[in-house]
Amino acid sequence: ETGVTQTPRHLVMGMTNKKSLKCEQHLGHNAMYWYKQSAKKPLELMFVYNFKEQTENNSVPSRFSPECPNSSHLFLHLHTLQPEDSALYLCASSQEGGQGHQPQHFGDGTRLSIL
Amino acid sequence: GQNIDQPTEMTATEGAIVQINCTYQTSGFNGLFWYQQHAGEAPTFLSYNVLDGLEEKGRFSSFLSRSKGYSYLLLKELQMKDSASYLCAVTDSNYQLIWGAGTKLIIKP
Repeated sequence: ETGVTQTPRHLVMGMTNKKSLKCEQHLGHNAMYWYKQSAKKPLELMFVYNFKEQTENNSVPSRFSPECPNSSHLFLHLHTLQPEDSALYLCASSQEGGQGHQPQHFGDGTRLSIL
Repeated sequence: GQNIDQPTEMTATEGAIVQINCTYQTSGFNGLFWYQQHAGEAPTFLSYNVLDGLEEKGRFSSFLSRSKGYSYLLLKELQMKDSASYLCAVTDSNYQLIWGAGTKLIIKP
């Protein structure tokens, strides 16, 4: 139990579907992150929210749309995805974003497969 | 560009010692993290180094040399449960985390 919960754990969707990934943290943190993890590649930072404000968007295609209604919840809305988007999507939180010494706490991820 | 290098895979024997190396070239340095990730699970924080030297935490130790752009994670008295991927990550001058691709460690009886 890491204090960060992601749902669903697995998701299979067609390229024309719309789905959402959910992340909830119970650690009282103020920063939340979405990462993409592909096999044998470094974690790719997608989005950062600090105190509910988006502070980072790493040139992510618009078919990925994040939403952060409060400091405890983070969503990733998916629409018209491509096969190369199949990956493990990890959510993380930390006490505050932009603080180099604070570790991030990760959820178990959503394994996404695009047909 | 910014780069983190670590071996793709290593194999070690139960009860032995293994050292996983990480070299980095980043724009500035504000600390280095090691995370452990078991297959299908979340990465979990192991250690943080910002000053040169060795930090010891039980069976795990992490070393940093900023002048050499080099760190290692040392695992002693290896157990089967240590089979996992080990991720090295560096915080650059903009406080962005730069990640390595991870080292998959296989422990054999």
